[in-house]
Amino acid sequence: SQQGEEDPQALSIQEGENATMNCSYKTSINNLQWYRQNSGRGLVHLILIRSNEREKHSGRLRVTLDTSKKSSSLLITASRAADTASYFCATDAGGGSNYKLTFGKGTLLTVNP
Amino acid sequence: DAGVIQSPRHEVTEMGQEVTLRCKPISGHDYLFWYRQTMMRGLELLIYFNNNVPIDDSGMPEDRFSAKMPNASFSTLKIQPSEPRDSAVYFCASSLWLAKNIQYFGAGTRLSVL
Repeated sequence: SQQGEEDPQALSIQEGENATMNCSYKTSINNLQWYRQNSGRGLVHLILIRSNEREKHSGRLRVTLDTSKKSSSLLITASRAADTASYFCATDAGGGSNYKLTFGKGTLLTVNP
Repeated sequence: DAGVIQSPRHEVTEMGQEVTLRCKPISGHDYLFWYRQTMMRGLELLIYFNNNVPIDDSGMPEDRFSAKMPNASFSTLKIQPSEPRDSAVYFCASSLWLAKNIQYFGAGTRLSVL
């Protein structure tokens, strides 16, 4: 079964607005990652947050992690048309087996110019 | 670096034929992963290797699927015989243990089995 589940499945916003996507997972983790996939392309790593971190920033990206609720959110500020893509959270298995990632089904973000 | 290279980018074949997908990981990476992506099931891990050794193949759907990694710079995923339900996009990814398993994906192979 999927470890990570993103919410919403699809999100449509106007350029300049902020986009927030959520991810829930089921078991303990070492790290949680977010990836982006443009149409017809492979996934690209965006940001990694460790289980002992609560918030992390990278440029226009802000990720939060709440291990008590087993959830994470990805905020993209001041969105651009080029941010249109699918976004996936990925969790590892926890413990010593953190090489294997389980991906959610993704949120399709459309940024309208 | 050229990144992870997959070939072919597109493959169309008929049911029953053998299909071989190829992957060249990023030089120096010690983990290699094969995934399958479909609309229904999302991104599924099929198998992964560490230092060319298969570690976990629990995601391989059936005996029709096999994967090899004869050396650090090459891996293949073979489907024999292929079936229409194998139609999907197959991704290869590689990572470096020291980099906390941040995975680098190839562009994928879109497989259509008619």
